[in-house]
Amino acid sequence: EAQVTQNPRYLITVTGKKLTVTCSQNMNHEYMSWYRQDPGLGLRQIYYSMNVEVTDKGDVPEGYKVSRKEKRNFPLILESPSPNQTSLYFCASKDVAGGYNEQFFGPGTRLTVL
Amino acid sequence: GENVEQHPSTLSVQEGDSAVIKCTYSDSASNYFPWYKQELGKRPQLIIDIRSNVGEKKDQRIAVTLNKTAKHFSLHITETQPEDSAVYFCAASTWDDKIIFGKGTRLHILP
Repeated sequence: EAQVTQNPRYLITVTGKKLTVTCSQNMNHEYMSWYRQDPGLGLRQIYYSMNVEVTDKGDVPEGYKVSRKEKRNFPLILESPSPNQTSLYFCASKDVAGGYNEQFFGPGTRLTVL
Repeated sequence: GENVEQHPSTLSVQEGDSAVIKCTYSDSASNYFPWYKQELGKRPQLIIDIRSNVGEKKDQRIAVTLNKTAKHFSLHITETQPEDSAVYFCAASTWDDKIIFGKGTRLHILP
């Protein structure tokens, strides 16, 4: 089944404890992206990647890191999480970078930073 | 940078009536405008999209219009049904794949 998966789905952590949220897609998509969703603010792009070893900042990249060593994986790293990073995170992928095509979203990861 | 404004934030319509959600964008370089629907507790899913070289696109009960001169685009849902109740997001994207979403519209379909 073609899909985007994220792990973990739920995470409660404490300020300053490094964490990684994994994202994987099995559709051989070039483009992958991370978003955070907060009430009243909609979806905001954190980082995106147009291909392996190519990453770019989105609208709200501060406090996050990403890497794209393989086509299928695009992990989101929080080196020192803070309470303002408590949010619902979505990973997404699409077939071709720069193209007018549909993004497929993962199921979401709900992160709470205490 | 790009800014996308979406209105209204909440919309209630009687079942069977039409619903219209409007968005404006600021970056004239934006060339792709998707609309996503997000049901409660679910992930966003694309329902319709439009490119900057097209003025209107329809898919059954859903249509999107784009006015490039005025930098606004709208989602129209006709003959609304209970399953249309959800949050809808518009977005604007440029050639380099940066995408900015509107803040969302919560649509309630009243019985």
